[in-house]
Amino acid sequence: GNSVTQMEGPVTLSEEAFLTINCTYTATGYPSLFWYVQYPGEGLQLLLKATKADDKGSNKGFEATYRKETTSFHLEKGSVQVSDSAVYFCALSDFNAGNNRKLIWGLGTSLAVNP
Amino acid sequence: DTAVSQTPKYLVTQMGNDKSIKCEQNLGHDTMYWYKQDSKKFLKIMFSYNNKELIINETVPNRFSPKSPDKAHLNLHINSLELGDSAVYFCASSPGHASYNEQFFGPGTRLTVL
Repeated sequence: GNSVTQMEGPVTLSEEAFLTINCTYTATGYPSLFWYVQYPGEGLQLLLKATKADDKGSNKGFEATYRKETTSFHLEKGSVQVSDSAVYFCALSDFNAGNNRKLIWGLGTSLAVNP
Repeated sequence: DTAVSQTPKYLVTQMGNDKSIKCEQNLGHDTMYWYKQDSKKFLKIMFSYNNKELIINETVPNRFSPKSPDKAHLNLHINSLELGDSAVYFCASSPGHASYNEQFFGPGTRLTVL
């Protein structure tokens, strides 16, 4: 079945460090891929998404490229800020009929950025 | 204006009690969801409604019963609460039921069962 695997956290970085959070997936069909972010005490919100191979999603300095050959969608940011401290979730959908109604979620990766 | 709102934000109750959580969205979306997030942040879909019709019903104890009186509202009633029900419950909505649509989450209801 479809699945998403994220690197385990917590990830702790100093401000202005480079961030990578790995996400790989297994899916039949042609999934769309997402990163959602959950700031402390809040609900999740969409950070970025990509709908087809080689697409790059970007938002707030974060980027992720849909790599079909490596079945990956790694999240990167060149210089993190304290305000980026949150839990990050990778997720995928699938266009296949009969199973296109829910997202498949990763376990989440907690990021703490120290000043 | 709050897009997806939930009440209450916090709920503390005794084992065996029955409680309800309410959700409302003012985005005009057709689809609404209930998720459970445990203490390790693991997110699990419970139910989804599209235009008041139940379309996702995951393996959830039948003590949990959703109800959608209209497209803008989705409530969750829980009977005979157990310790393991303690979690944060999130409501979400999306423009349609296809999973490539962005989901908009409420702020969550933290349920603590004593």
